Amino acid sequence: DQQVKQNSPSLSVQEGRISILNCDYTNSMFDYFLWYKKYPAEGPTFLISISSIKDKNEDGRFTVFLNKSAKHLSLHIVPSQPGDSAVYFCAVPTAVIQGAQKLVFGQGTRLTINP
Amino acid sequence: DVKVTQSSRYLVKRTGEKVFLECVQDMDHENMFWYRQDPGLGLRLIYFSYDVKMKEKGDIPEGYSVSREKKERFSLILESASTNQTSMYLCASIEGGTGRGAFFGQGTRLTVV
Repeated sequence: DQQVKQNSPSLSVQEGRISILNCDYTNSMFDYFLWYKKYPAEGPTFLISISSIKDKNEDGRFTVFLNKSAKHLSLHIVPSQPGDSAVYFCAVPTAVIQGAQKLVFGQGTRLTINP
Repeated sequence: DVKVTQSSRYLVKRTGEKVFLECVQDMDHENMFWYRQDPGLGLRLIYFSYDVKMKEKGDIPEGYSVSREKKERFSLILESASTNQTSMYLCASIEGGTGRGAFFGQGTRLTVV
């Protein structure tokens, strides 16, 4: 079974500094990995993904790094802004059936950006 | 933009009631999912569907069933609601295999009393 772990339930960062969120997984057989962001009382929104053939993907202030040998993902946000305060989930697709992805999510990390 | 709409934002139901949660997507996606979110547990998959009338159990299907009679609509049914089903329920729609990720509805906060 695919296991995805986010070992930090919460993280507090000063505005303007770098936020680093981490995610570990147990299975290497997938093409890409994803990060989602969730505000209270809203559904998660897709943030950024990375293909397994890359080790880095950048989109504005957000960069995701993939270390396949360590089975580890990290999301870097720089500079951090108060609007980045949310819960962040990493997700890994697993058990493809009839072309369907079954996304397995980590437990989430609540990021708080302090002014 | 893909839109995924859940019929209710907040619901309060009594123990033993049959509860229907509805979800509609407007992008002709074949794959739809129901998750629940609980503190410290992340998002856990209840059921998913990869085509009309086709469904597969997720990781925590007990106490739930689903219905997909039309491609755009995926319903989650709590046959007899219990207090441990109090949770945030999230519907998602995905274009399989594209790497673009899933699109979620706004969530339904269900409280069973």
